[in-house]
Amino acid sequence: GAVVSQHPSWVICKSGTSVKIECRSLDFQATTMFWYRQFPKQSLMLMATSNEGSKATYEQGVEKDKFLINHASLTLSTLTVTSAHPEDSSFYICSARTSGNNEQFFGPGTRLTVL
Amino acid sequence: EDQVTQSPEALRLQEGESSSLNCSYTVSGLRGLFWYRQDPGKGPEFLFTLYSAGEEKEKERLKATLTKKESFLHITAPKPEDSATYLCAVRTSGTYKYIFGTGTRLKVLA
Repeated sequence: GAVVSQHPSWVICKSGTSVKIECRSLDFQATTMFWYRQFPKQSLMLMATSNEGSKATYEQGVEKDKFLINHASLTLSTLTVTSAHPEDSSFYICSARTSGNNEQFFGPGTRLTVL
Repeated sequence: EDQVTQSPEALRLQEGESSSLNCSYTVSGLRGLFWYRQDPGKGPEFLFTLYSAGEEKEKERLKATLTKKESFLHITAPKPEDSATYLCAVRTSGTYKYIFGTGTRLKVLA
């Protein structure tokens, strides 16, 4: 139980294009989903928190117009990196929790490389 | 300010050499301390949740303990497959967000 998937697992795109990353909870309903970014040999940095059916809450310093988050259903959240630039290259990880549970369960991550 | 610190940053052990990883925290209103294991290029894998001082959880060669200021992850007779980065995180009152420590990179040599 508590499986979270991400798609794609890796993506390479050209500078200026937009990339969408999907996060799905496969066997539970995710009340809240979180999006993180991780640089090499560093810990996870929370980008935003999204609750199903409402607008995402972004952490300080994260551009909401650049990182668009949609949480349209209890099993799916998407992160769209708009007008990507090489500095957006990173490992993006989502997590999900269900109502009544404390634990976050993480997806396998998506490696984004912007050329 | 809420803060989580892990030590050591990196640790090399011989197979069978037991040791402990530390997670120190300064938070207001702890609502859970979580341990995760992360392999390179993958998402964190949930290990344990601890809620109150004195609590202990075990899973195979791993045992997590909690005091009012810190948590330890004890690794007994580690094997090379235990090599990974171990992350601790805390949740404080009023939010479901985690505050992560910087992790301990563990390498177990055969």
